[in-house]
This record gives sequence, structure tokens and C-alpha cells, in this order.
Amino acid sequence: DVKVTQSSRYLVKRTGEKVFLECVQDMDHENMFWYRQDPGLGLRLIYFSYDVKMKEKGDIPEGYSVSREKKERFSLILESASTNQTSMYLCASSFRGRYYEQYFGPGTRLTVT
Amino acid sequence: GNSVTQMEGPVTLSEEAFLTINCTYTATGYPSLFWYVQYPGEGLQLLLKATKADDKGSNKGFEATYRKETTSFHLEKGSVQVSDSAVYFCALMANQAGTALIFGKGTTLSVSS
Repeated sequence: DVKVTQSSRYLVKRTGEKVFLECVQDMDHENMFWYRQDPGLGLRLIYFSYDVKMKEKGDIPEGYSVSREKKERFSLILESASTNQTSMYLCASSFRGRYYEQYFGPGTRLTVT
Repeated sequence: GNSVTQMEGPVTLSEEAFLTINCTYTATGYPSLFWYVQYPGEGLQLLLKATKADDKGSNKGFEATYRKETTSFHLEKGSVQVSDSAVYFCALMANQAGTALIFGKGTTLSVSS
């Protein structure tokens, strides 16, 4: 079975802190994605990566950055957390030619106070 | 631009009832269409897909038919179970290289015994 794991299920941070969310997949997928999920807004793509050290902005990249130093790991970084970044963050991965068949992790619920 | 519109929930049904969750889309060209499901506490999973007009995707008793004339991809199940309680997301992918999934806002289904 494909496994996508995320470093924390729940995280509480203070405004202005630098926050790292980690995602690891074990299926040798080329593509990895970060989404945020908010009630009434569904899933919105923040960033995706199609290879090591490669990244593309999604729909809402402002306030976020990403890092992909190894194929299996994709990190989302909140440089200076703000309260409007309180959300559920979902990581996903897929094979290169199968963008649609994404495997999701369980999510990290981040609260910024 | 490309977008997906789903019926708002929550949808509340008794066990063995018939389910329909409406989904319509706006896209240029001929997108591929998908339904994802998110069970409580878990990540999203691909439920079914259809890649061209009149295709019917099916899985676990769920079905959806790609209707180009009405730009719709409604999800149906003849007899729901309590274990079907989840959030259902309709999604599309424009058939262009390098594009990502576009998700609807999700519809919560609650089935009681």
C-alpha cells in the first residue's frame, strides 16, 4: 500500500513563528503536492513539485515556501505564521504521468494563535 | 477558468437509501473527471474516474457518468451504508501537460442506521 505520512496530526504555533510541515511518501512518486483544506472552500493547491529541487506555485502560494531535497520528502514552510494560516494541510503524491491519481496523507491541523 | 461546482451538504440519508451528489464543471477542452472520498480522520482517496464523454466510472457500488452535453458528473449509489459516511469531492483535470487537479468544495454525506 502507498503510504503518505505527515509529521504531525495537530500543531499549535504562535503568530510570527517559522513552521515546518513534513511529508514523506514511500512509493517512489515523482510528484508531490501541498494543499490546504478549509470549510466551504474545499482543497486549494499551495505548491507542487515534479522532481527533486523542482517546484511550481499553485493557486495560493503567498506566505508559503517549499523544499524538496530528496525524492520521498516534501516540506512546506510558513516563514512567519499568521492566524489566517490556521487550516488543515494535506500532502499528496503521484506518479509523474498520473497527476490525477493522488495519494493523500491524513493531514496536519495547524492552529496559529 | 476551470472550476467545479458541487451541491452543498450536508446530505443526510437512512441506510439503503438512494444517493445522488450533483457535480457540474466548467472547463476548456475535454477534461478528465474524478470523485475522491475522505473518510473521517483519513486522507482523500480516489473513488472513481472518467476520462472522456459518456464514460462511466464505478467503484464500491458508486457510479458517475461523464455528460459533456450537461457538463456534469453526478455521483450515485443505489443503496448507501453507514460506512459510506464521508466527504465526497468532485474534481477535474484539464488535459494539458503539467496541470493539477481542481477540486470542488466537498459534500458531506451522513448515513444513519
